[in-house]
Amino acid sequence: SQQGEEDPQALSIQEGENATMNCSYKTSINNLQWYRQNSGRGLVHLILIRSNEREKHSGRLRVTLDTSKKSSSLLITASRAADTASYFCATDAGRSNYKLTFGKGTLLTVNP
Amino acid sequence: DTGVSQDPRHKITKRGQNVTFRCDPISEHNRLYWYRQTLGQGPEFLTYFQNEAQLEKSRLLSDRFSAERPKGSFSTLEIQRTEQGDSAMYLCASSLVIYEQYFGPGTRLTVT
Repeated sequence: SQQGEEDPQALSIQEGENATMNCSYKTSINNLQWYRQNSGRGLVHLILIRSNEREKHSGRLRVTLDTSKKSSSLLITASRAADTASYFCATDAGRSNYKLTFGKGTLLTVNP
Repeated sequence: DTGVSQDPRHKITKRGQNVTFRCDPISEHNRLYWYRQTLGQGPEFLTYFQNEAQLEKSRLLSDRFSAERPKGSFSTLEIQRTEQGDSAMYLCASSLVIYEQYFGPGTRLTVT
């Protein structure tokens, strides 16, 4: 079963704009991660945020986590055509921390 | 390239045939995972190995599915008596840190 749900399902923006996508989940988690997937390179790990962290940055990526609302957001600043991909959040929980539970993903299209 | 590799990348088979996929993890990673991804969905966890021990296999979809990891190195996933509903992308991941998983490019299975 899917733990996370990304929102929106699809997002289309112009190059240079910022893209924000959200993830909600159902149960308490240990960590939340964001992955990118395109047809050329499979699933690529972007960033991990632990349940006791609220915000994390990596290059043009900013992730926030609100455990009280069971939600996370991924912000990509100054988007590029190469950012076009599907973005998934994945959580691990409890003692089953080997098992990542993914949402359905957000399809981001960045138009040049 | 020192990432996770999977073979074959694409497999077309007729219903009722058996198929076997191979995964070679990143060399120093002792943990290995299999996921399945259907169209429009995020990956779904199937099974987990630590070294050669299969620590979770309850999510393998039926008794037609089996996975092995002899000597704790590469792994194989076999599907017996394939059905059209088995058509999906089969992803392998490996890790040192249990939840920071690195994915291979996947094997796309089409059952006709």
